[in-house]
Amino acid sequence: QKEVEQNSGPLSVPEGAIASLNCTYSDRGSQSFFWYRQYSGKSPELIMFIYSNGDKEDGRFTAQLNKASQYVSLLIRDSQPSDSATYLCAPGGSGGSNYKLTFGKGTLLTVNP
Amino acid sequence: SAVISQKPSRDICQRGTSLTIQCQVDSQVTMMFWYRQQPGQSLTLIATANQGSEATYESGFVIDKFPISRPNLTFSTLTVSNMSPEDSSIYLCSVVGGSGDIQYFGAGTRLSVL
Repeated sequence: QKEVEQNSGPLSVPEGAIASLNCTYSDRGSQSFFWYRQYSGKSPELIMFIYSNGDKEDGRFTAQLNKASQYVSLLIRDSQPSDSATYLCAPGGSGGSNYKLTFGKGTLLTVNP
Repeated sequence: SAVISQKPSRDICQRGTSLTIQCQVDSQVTMMFWYRQQPGQSLTLIATANQGSEATYESGFVIDKFPISRPNLTFSTLTVSNMSPEDSSIYLCSVVGGSGDIQYFGAGTRLSVL
């Protein structure tokens, strides 16, 4: 049974601060890792994806991957109230199942004005 | 990214009935999936919709309960059969298209079973 663990939160940060979201996964064969943002009542929206160890930056978002530790994180710099949402970590499957995403339960982020 | 249309957006159904959910994509895609999101929970993969052949179901999901069709590369349906209140969830289709393995989601169908 593949497992994806995230702190459920809520994680509360002030506007302008850095929000740090963490995720660990059990499938050592996972090669692709995705972060989705889900606003209440809406469908998941892709924020970032990362395949290689290290950091990947896109605007205010940075994804960090450490396959040896089976750990992936998402940093949100200069957090805005509009970033308030649930963030879902989703590693892809291993081998030929890389398209099969296993979702964590998500971390609820609240950015306070 | 592809534009994904999912119908209906929501429905309220009676116990014992069935509902068919449609997923239409504006371009041909390689992979289509169906997920369930129960209240307050994360997403769980139901099955991979295979074009021209039977869907591939995940553990805990069976074809009799969730029959899936995919007649072409742009369209799929999920039927929730013989519904019970436990089937009240959001059902989402997702697609992978073009290069890479990026997965995009439709807006979802919010189902309530009375």
